[in-house]
Amino acid sequence: QSVLTQPPSVSAAPGQKVTISCSGSSSNIGNNYVSWYQQLPGTAPKLLIYDNNKRPSGIPDRFSGSKSGTSATLGITGLQTGDEADYYCGTWDSSLSLAVFGGGTKLTVL
Amino acid sequence: QLQLQESGPGLVKPSETLSLTCTVSGGSISSSSYYWGWIRQPPGKGLEWIGSIYYSGSTYYNPSLKSRVTISVDTSKNQFSLKLSSVTAADTAVYYCARQKYSNNWFDPWGQGTLVTVSS
Repeated sequence: QSVLTQPPSVSAAPGQKVTISCSGSSSNIGNNYVSWYQQLPGTAPKLLIYDNNKRPSGIPDRFSGSKSGTSATLGITGLQTGDEADYYCGTWDSSLSLAVFGGGTKLTVL
Repeated sequence: QLQLQESGPGLVKPSETLSLTCTVSGGSISSSSYYWGWIRQPPGKGLEWIGSIYYSGSTYYNPSLKSRVTISVDTSKNQFSLKLSSVTAADTAVYYCARQKYSNNWFDPWGQGTLVTVSS
């Protein structure tokens, strides 16, 4: 059972937009930065979003992040088949004193 | 650019100690503001943070694993290492090393990962 809650799966058609939610509490998302990771099949996770809404160099602006209260959202526009992957949110939990991740969301581009 | 590479045995017997090393290239492990972390992923499951270390040797661990985990650093070799004792089948996972921005808690980049299987 993950401290951060994500939907197990989402799907959308190519070219469409999808959002992935990450729900937590005041001890984690509510008072700490959120990051998002993309894990393509058989590969290591890759940082997509850091500090709630910043993109590392090389990440297209089709990917966006936002945070409100104790929840965060990853948005992906202009979906491509190459976006099919597992997506994880992550943050620090101040009460548990550990880095935590969501359970992951599998994105299917139909 | 900065790259990380895990190395170590792919098979460990139950009750023994799992030992892995992460070699950092393209940059110095002695960079300020960054920790160096270990994260694992059991087959078909999500990510679990194990612990992290600063180049000075300062560490912090996942409380659920703390009694079995030791992370150390060798700045002369630009490496950091993980030891996990008394392993069981539940410790079977892909183990990743990654650079961690301590204050903001993001991990980037990640190593490619190494599968460690606990079995007799």
